[in-house]
Amino acid sequence: DGGITQSPKYLFRKEGQNVTLSCEQNLNHDAMYWYRQDPGQGLRLIYYSQIVNDFQKGDIAEGYSVSREKKESFPLTVTSAQKNPTAFYLCASSIVTGTAYGYTFGSGTRLTVV
Amino acid sequence: DQQVKQNSPSLSVQEGRISILNCDYTNSMFDYFLWYKKYPAEGPTFLISISSIKDKNEDGRFTVFLNKSAKHLSLHIVPSQPGDSAVYFCAASGGGRIQGAQKLVFGQGTRLTINP
Repeated sequence: DGGITQSPKYLFRKEGQNVTLSCEQNLNHDAMYWYRQDPGQGLRLIYYSQIVNDFQKGDIAEGYSVSREKKESFPLTVTSAQKNPTAFYLCASSIVTGTAYGYTFGSGTRLTVV
Repeated sequence: DQQVKQNSPSLSVQEGRISILNCDYTNSMFDYFLWYKKYPAEGPTFLISISSIKDKNEDGRFTVFLNKSAKHLSLHIVPSQPGDSAVYFCAASGGGRIQGAQKLVFGQGTRLTINP
């Protein structure tokens, strides 16, 4: 079955450490996205990528980095510069042609700083 | 600046009755609107959408209404069922869309609880 896989489901990070969240899709979607969910704030866009080897900052990119070396993969690194990294992180993908809208989401990774 | 707002953080409805979730937006460039449903510790799943050229779209128990002049949309669920208990996110697209990728802007979400 086609879908998006995020791993791990739960992740704990110590202060000052970088940590990488995995996102893999087999939907053959060109575009991929990272969102962050915080209570009462909905989903906020961190980074997105329309095509391999290209990515753009979203609304809250500071303290995060991404790469898009393969169409299927869009890992997110939460660096020590991110001041408040504890959140639920969602990866999504979509097509970029035609008139259809909407994302397919992964099941999320909950990151906790300890 | 919150371009998409869901002003009710929570809503409680009796099973079998109608649930109405509301969403307001400020960007007149938005041309497509979506509703997503989310269970705890899971990713959102697509529920229903509507283009700005329509004012109503229906899919089974779910109907979305769009009032462009008021910049308001609503999701009606009837009859409500216990399995509908979840967080519902309103999302909009079209305002500042970069060619190709769809930059959806999400509301804060409304937690719907269906009571038996």
